[in-house]
Amino acid sequence: DIQMTQSPSSLSASVGDRVTITCRASQSISNYLNWYQQKPGKAPKLLIYAASSLQSGVPSRFSGSGSGTDFTLTISSLQPEDFATYSCQQSYSTPFTFGQGTKLEI
Amino acid sequence: QVQLQESGPGVVKPSEALSLSCSVSGGSLRSYYWTWIRQPPGKGLEWIGDIYYSGGPRYNSSLKGRVTISVDTSKNEFSLKLSSLTAADTAFYYCARVGRSGYYSLDYWGQGALVTVSS
Repeated sequence: DIQMTQSPSSLSASVGDRVTITCRASQSISNYLNWYQQKPGKAPKLLIYAASSLQSGVPSRFSGSGSGTDFTLTISSLQPEDFATYSCQQSYSTPFTFGQGTKLEI
Repeated sequence: QVQLQESGPGVVKPSEALSLSCSVSGGSLRSYYWTWIRQPPGKGLEWIGDIYYSGGPRYNSSLKGRVTISVDTSKNEFSLKLSSLTAADTAFYYCARVGRSGYYSLDYWGQGALVTVSS
């Protein structure tokens, strides 16, 4: 199975900050990488697919980059509604696996 | 707007089986893959398996033959059965649609159903 490791596990930031979350795959996955946002008590929401493509309706302050084994999710200017947990998911091979999540806190 | 809704028991006894259904409204099952994801409280997400609207399920081998996913296009729903439950199966269970991006991105999710395995 492909292991997905996110860093950091938690992150404190303020409104207006630029934030970067990293996801590393245990083997090359090309650009088969998706990012999700999850708020407490809610289902995950798709933000980014194919490593860098913005899902329809997602604000442009979210961006993704990377290929191979190293990927990043960047929020250019944090808004109050962005405080949540972010998870990456590889879709290169089954079983499709997720990172452990990064909790973004105030 | 596509909506998914899980239904099933909230508490199941150890060694028994869990059955969940996911009803899809606002769209058809046709031409999509549909998947089940679970999340133990406070932990990460785990892919359980998926099924195409016309059949052919795939499963996570970590569940060691305990899982069955089926689809009923006449009811516009798909289902999950997980047998021989233990406390480790306590989790939020989500159903989701696999979008057409070609990158197995999950674009619509149910609200999730908490299943507690307890005697």
